[in-house]
Amino acid sequence: AQSVAQPEDQVNVAEGNPLTVKCTYSVSGNPYLFWYVQYPNRGLQFLLKYITGDNLVKGSYGFEAEFNKSQTSFHLKKPSALVSDSALYFCAVKGLTTDSWGKLQFGAGTQVVVTP
Amino acid sequence: GAVVSQHPSWVICKSGTSVKIECRSLDFQATTMFWYRQFPKQSLMLMATSNEGSKATYEQGVEKDKFLINHASLTLSTLTVTSAHPEDSSFYICSALWTGGNTGELFFGEGSRLTVL
Repeated sequence: AQSVAQPEDQVNVAEGNPLTVKCTYSVSGNPYLFWYVQYPNRGLQFLLKYITGDNLVKGSYGFEAEFNKSQTSFHLKKPSALVSDSALYFCAVKGLTTDSWGKLQFGAGTQVVVTP
Repeated sequence: GAVVSQHPSWVICKSGTSVKIECRSLDFQATTMFWYRQFPKQSLMLMATSNEGSKATYEQGVEKDKFLINHASLTLSTLTVTSAHPEDSSFYICSALWTGGNTGELFFGEGSRLTVL
């Protein structure tokens, strides 16, 4: 079985400060990990993904995430948050050997609030 | 990245009527698309897998007679909410599977907000 945990319902950060959104996962075998962002009444926008290779993945809009196999984590980070980063963020995982993309497991989501 | 278009973005209907939502992959062919439902401040819940040329596969607890899915072409899947009731009001999102490359990837539509009065 696959699962994703986003332990924080909401993260508050001041503009210009570093932003971290936490994600831990459980999957059989090697994971295929994603971060998506969702603005109100919009679909999911892809930020970045990890399959194999370098543990530090760089994505869109200045975001990056670090894959940590020993801690089964894939935390999303941004060095300097912007007010426009305020949105709902989803972590997702799928086993690389899992054929069905319907098995892509989403976390509960973390609301990021960046204050001016 | 690839583009998936969903239409309409917003729809308001009266109780008892049916509503159709379209999901199109604009620049690639998708034999597989997925339909999700999202409640406020919650994650996406997979409703069904839409397979081109065959019947959709529904997740447990999803009424297939209520949520009709048709995937008649490689670029279009439709979700019809039949005899809609206020409890069907929700945000519906589709995704299309791109099978290019080694691992494939999902691309999401912009979502459709359904309000049933």
